Amino acid sequence: GNSVTQMEGPVTLSEEAFLTINCTYTATGYPSLFWYVQYPGEGLQLLLKATKADDKGSNKGFEATYRKETTSFHLEKGSVQVSDSAVYFCALSNQAGTALIFGKGTTLSVSS
Amino acid sequence: DAGVTQSPTHLIKTRGQQVTLRCSPKSGHDTVSWYQQALGQGPQFIFQYYEEEERQRGNFPDRFSGHQFPNYSSELNVNALLLGDSALYLCASSPRTGKGGYTFGSGTRLTVV
Repeated sequence: GNSVTQMEGPVTLSEEAFLTINCTYTATGYPSLFWYVQYPGEGLQLLLKATKADDKGSNKGFEATYRKETTSFHLEKGSVQVSDSAVYFCALSNQAGTALIFGKGTTLSVSS
Repeated sequence: DAGVTQSPTHLIKTRGQQVTLRCSPKSGHDTVSWYQQALGQGPQFIFQYYEEEERQRGNFPDRFSGHQFPNYSSELNVNALLLGDSALYLCASSPRTGKGGYTFGSGTRLTVV
């Protein structure tokens, strides 16, 4: 079946450090891939997405590239800020408008 | 433009009771999905409603049921509550095409004691 595997956290970084959160997936066909972010006490916000192989999603300095050959969608940011502290979820959807399948989430903590 | 609105924000119930959670979708969205997020876990898909019918269902028992109204708002009902039903319940809305992705509400925190 379809599934998403994320690197386990927590990830602890100093401000301005480089961030990578690994995400790999198992799916039939060509799923759409997403990164969502959840701040404490809040729901999920879409951070970025990619709908086909080699697409790069980007938003707020975060980037992720859809790699079909390695079934990966790693999240990166060149210089993290304290305000980036949150839980990050990788997710896939096999078809537009259908259920999202989430990874377990990775907690990021950034200190000044 | 209001996003997705969920009510109540917090709820405490006793084992065996029944609970109803409510969701109003974002303006312009006609599809509503419900997710359960246990502490420290990713959200798990419960079901999706469109045109007042359940269109897709995840691996949840029949104790979990739902409804969608003509104005696209939705309810999630859980019967015979178990301690393991304690979780954050998230509602997400989208246009039927899925374009533009999902908008999530802030969730209802359900505690079963």
